[in-house]
Amino acid sequence: SQQGEEDPQALSIQEGENATMNCSYKTSINNLQWYRQNSGRGLVHLILIRSNEREKHSGRLRVTLDTSKKSSSLLITASRAADTASYFCATGARSGGYNKLIFGAGTRLAVHP
Amino acid sequence: EAQVTQNPRYLITVTGKKLTVTCSQNMNHEYMSWYRQDPGLGLRQIYYSMNVEVTDKGDVPEGYKVSRKEKRNFPLILESPSPNQTSLYFCASRLGPGQPYEQYFGPGTRLTVT
Repeated sequence: SQQGEEDPQALSIQEGENATMNCSYKTSINNLQWYRQNSGRGLVHLILIRSNEREKHSGRLRVTLDTSKKSSSLLITASRAADTASYFCATGARSGGYNKLIFGAGTRLAVHP
Repeated sequence: EAQVTQNPRYLITVTGKKLTVTCSQNMNHEYMSWYRQDPGLGLRQIYYSMNVEVTDKGDVPEGYKVSRKEKRNFPLILESPSPNQTSLYFCASRLGPGQPYEQYFGPGTRLTVT
């Protein structure tokens, strides 16, 4: 079952601009994570925000979480060509005795020099 | 270097020919998972394991088997592959129950079944 849904599906910007990606989900979560995937490669963890947090920063990344709207956003400031990748949100929730991660379909970001 | 490794990275096979994709992690993680990635569908969990000899089905387990005889290894077995199992497969691991929740992913195995 797919929980996180990213918006937009694709985003094209110029270097130096900010990129904002959104994620919506359906059920209760205990954390939400963002991952990055360079073309055809493994996913790399970027940042995690817990359900009792509203905002978190890591370098040029800023994540917000609104549990009342069941949504999150990832902001990449001052984007670089090297930020070109797909970005996935993943919602974490308890399923039986296991903390399960469910991934969305991702946002493809292209940053042009 | 802390990592998750998968082999092979690329595999082309024919329908019905049994195959195994290996996965190994060197971080002493308890939890391991297999995912498949298909265009427009994101990653879907196939199987997961919470420890040696403890495995359970994910969201799309049909046509797959796994085993966890050692903590570091979690092979994915396709007993009789079919074309609809053509996909990009990822193995992932994380420390264990509770925090931290972040997963570490292998580089992926691109499987084509003809």
